[in-house]
Amino acid sequence: GAVVSQHPSRVICKSGTSVKIECRSLDFQATTMFWYRQFPKQSLMLMATSNEGSKATYEQGVEKDKFLINHASLTLSTLTVTSAHPEDSSFYICSARPTGLRAGELFFGEGSRLTVL
Amino acid sequence: AQSVAQPEDQVNVAEGNPLTVKCTYSVSGNPYLFWYVQYPNRGLQFLLKYITGDNLVKGSYGFEAEFNKSQTSFHLKKPSALVSDSALYFCAVRDMVPGSSNTGKLIFGQGTTLQVKP
Repeated sequence: GAVVSQHPSRVICKSGTSVKIECRSLDFQATTMFWYRQFPKQSLMLMATSNEGSKATYEQGVEKDKFLINHASLTLSTLTVTSAHPEDSSFYICSARPTGLRAGELFFGEGSRLTVL
Repeated sequence: AQSVAQPEDQVNVAEGNPLTVKCTYSVSGNPYLFWYVQYPNRGLQFLLKYITGDNLVKGSYGFEAEFNKSQTSFHLKKPSALVSDSALYFCAVRDMVPGSSNTGKLIFGQGTTLQVKP
């Protein structure tokens, strides 16, 4: 099956620093990737839709200058949390939609747990 | 606007007994429905989907789900639960309105924790 790799799986950083999370589709191409945020024991909240070669589309209430998304190739999207603060601590999950498949099945990465001290 | 509801925060069942995790949806067009499972500190794993065709969909790990258009439901079921099925389950919907832009965005329910006890 299709594999999506996220890196790093865990990261701890100091308040005010920036953190980059990578999402790679390992065995398929994805023109569209999605970034979700999940708080403990809660559902996934869609943050933004990342489109290869164009600007990301952000959901209402998500600061695009805070959460920078780059989708430079058909297999890689990155999420950069800029000037991170403790309230940004969360579990971030990416998903990718393979090109050419029907019905929009998404494949998810294993998630990245960010802890901001 | 499309939405998904999972009315139960937690479902408890004894190992070997049948399980049901409930999901209802609301969409403006034809629904594409999904079930995913999440283990602690892990990403989501795809279980099954309904696009069209038979209302009873069979998926991974012995799970199945029944699409009921009149009740707008898509409940997840398994005839005999295993302790290893204990996890967080998410129902999701993707609205496939003809002619609309189709980015594959999924809307998730709030999740249901399944606890299977030995």
